[in-house]
Amino acid sequence: ETGVTQSPTHLIKTRGQQVTLRCSSQSGHNTVSWYQQALGQGPQFIFQYYREEENGRGNFPPRFSGLQFPNYSSELNVNALELDDSALYLCASSLQGIDEKLFFGSGTQLSVL
Amino acid sequence: DQQVKQNSPSLSVQEGRISILNCDYTNSMFDYFLWYKKYPAEGPTFLISISSIKDKNEDGRFTVFLNKSAKHLSLHIVPSQPGDSAVYFCAASNSGGSNYKLTFGKGTLLTVNP
Repeated sequence: ETGVTQSPTHLIKTRGQQVTLRCSSQSGHNTVSWYQQALGQGPQFIFQYYREEENGRGNFPPRFSGLQFPNYSSELNVNALELDDSALYLCASSLQGIDEKLFFGSGTQLSVL
Repeated sequence: DQQVKQNSPSLSVQEGRISILNCDYTNSMFDYFLWYKKYPAEGPTFLISISSIKDKNEDGRFTVFLNKSAKHLSLHIVPSQPGDSAVYFCAASNSGGSNYKLTFGKGTLLTVNP
């Protein structure tokens, strides 16, 4: 059973650029959620994807967007990067309708300069 | 507006003693609660959960207590071990919602001293 994997592990971008983060869900899971963890804070829900469609969104602007692919992997895209977007981005997978436990990847540390 | 609060940023205990981590919530729609543990450079790892229909759930050295009237839950670790040193996050969800969105607290850094 493979766990949740995220790439890249670290990324440095400049303000105004665009970034794409990738996530492979745990084997057998059909739902992917993305969370942002700023320094000293708990993870904050960005959005969730189920059956390739957005299935709930947190309080994040439209420049945060995502995709889920038929193999349940997912991408998080952030346009027009701002300094405050610097954070650890966590992907979590789960099995919709069965269990609310989320299984997290190790995250992508994004630094916006 | 923080719906899940962990008011102690850090806690230090001696090996072998009990660790008690506390969590308060304000949203009465929350009915499922989880604790996650996070080591540096790793993602959060699920530890234990409790449904609002229960007031206690045990798993080995870990016990979670839920007091719905006080909107308070706590995680007890007995006995504490140095390997338990990590950041512990309390999280809550509304299982009647359409997605498994978790609302997290800010975390408590537990240090278990040998």
